[in-house]
Amino acid sequence: DSGVTQTPKHLITATGQRVTLRCSPRSGDLSVYWYQQSLDQGLQFLIQYYNGEERAKGNILERFSAQQFPDLHSELNLSSLELGDSALYFCASSPELANYNEQFFGPGTRLTVL
Amino acid sequence: AQKVTQAQTEISVVEKEDVTLDCVYETRDTTYYLFWYKQPPSGELVFLIRRNSFDEQNEISGRYSWNFQKSTSSFNFTITASQVVDSAVYFCALPTSGSARQLTFGSGTQLTVLP
Repeated sequence: DSGVTQTPKHLITATGQRVTLRCSPRSGDLSVYWYQQSLDQGLQFLIQYYNGEERAKGNILERFSAQQFPDLHSELNLSSLELGDSALYFCASSPELANYNEQFFGPGTRLTVL
Repeated sequence: AQKVTQAQTEISVVEKEDVTLDCVYETRDTTYYLFWYKQPPSGELVFLIRRNSFDEQNEISGRYSWNFQKSTSSFNFTITASQVVDSAVYFCALPTSGSARQLTFGSGTQLTVLP
């Protein structure tokens, strides 16, 4: 158990809908990362927050957004969903931004868009 | 830009065989860290090891060992006496140079250990 929690574990929805994925980092970790894992794109970085502030954006679509709350949990919002958004979405946390910090991953949310 | 290449898409071995998973990376940083993660069939990503670029000593942890060679930009992972429970996808990863330090992952190697 990494100490990072993600809910829900599975999500099935229809095209055009909006969903929210939730992540609670390990106790004390200030940095939260979101990654998407799909068969064709592999593991790709989406967005990162540090202590409530957005610090970096990767290959995140404009239909997707995220935020980190004062209690450090984070939410990833996906809207106008398309079939291609079906993927495993991971949240990871680390204590700081140093490159020696390993990131601890949550169990993921498997999103299926029908 | 950072890049991680895992050329072996799939490897299949019989239990008790040794197996080496290759990882080649590109970075402009002079000091950096490298990571290996395991993704078992259950889907979670499990941290295995972190190595820094200024320590090229091989690391051994039980049946796992890692060989880091800066001269060839490689960070290979060997499992000795493989077991069925080692079956998983293994990812090599490199933090970016930017302040966020997000990970750039290789495409992963699917290891299947047959009984």
